[in-house]
Amino acid sequence: AQSVSQHNHHVILSEAASLELGCNYSYGGTVNLFWYVQYPGQHLQLLLKYFSGDPLVKGIKGFEAEFIKSKFSFNLRKPSVQWSDTAEYFCAVQRGGGGNKLTFGTGTQLKVEL
Amino acid sequence: DGGITQSPKYLFRKEGQNVTLSCEQNLNHDAMYWYRQDPGQGLRLIYYSQIVNDFQKGDIAEGYSVSREKKESFPLTVTSAQKNPTAFYLCASREVSSYGYTFGSGTRLTVV
Repeated sequence: AQSVSQHNHHVILSEAASLELGCNYSYGGTVNLFWYVQYPGQHLQLLLKYFSGDPLVKGIKGFEAEFIKSKFSFNLRKPSVQWSDTAEYFCAVQRGGGGNKLTFGTGTQLKVEL
Repeated sequence: DGGITQSPKYLFRKEGQNVTLSCEQNLNHDAMYWYRQDPGQGLRLIYYSQIVNDFQKGDIAEGYSVSREKKESFPLTVTSAQKNPTAFYLCASREVSSYGYTFGSGTRLTVV
């Protein structure tokens, strides 16, 4: 079965620190890749997505992610985090057919301290 | 404004009772999904529907049922057979020609 792994469950950073959240998936075929963010008490929001082309994708709020096909990875990065980035981050994988379902990772809770 | 409406935001039920969670969308999306979110487990797919009057089981369908009688509505019933019903439930929709999902704001169900 397709699975998505997020290895960091809880991350605590100081403001201005750099962020990298890992995401690995197990499916070997063509996939679409997503990062979603859930701020406290808010909707799940799309941060960025990768379908094809340049493996380095830019998202909202200064986030970016790099797709490394050989490593089945899609890590999320931000050079300098802000207190307002405190949220839960979810990696998700989608493949064609079967309703284009999204399979989510278990999430990473990020806390940014002042 | 177009979007997905889930109601109510908070729901309390006694153990052994069935409860139905509402999900309505005015985006004219064909596909709709129900996910369950638990701390440390991410979002897991319960059921999905790609077209009216048709739906498929997701990864954790046991103890749940759905219907899709109208394009804009995809209600989820949490039955008494669901062993751990207390959770946060998210509904989503997608236009068939697009890969992007739109999520609702969720319903937090507490069974006591």
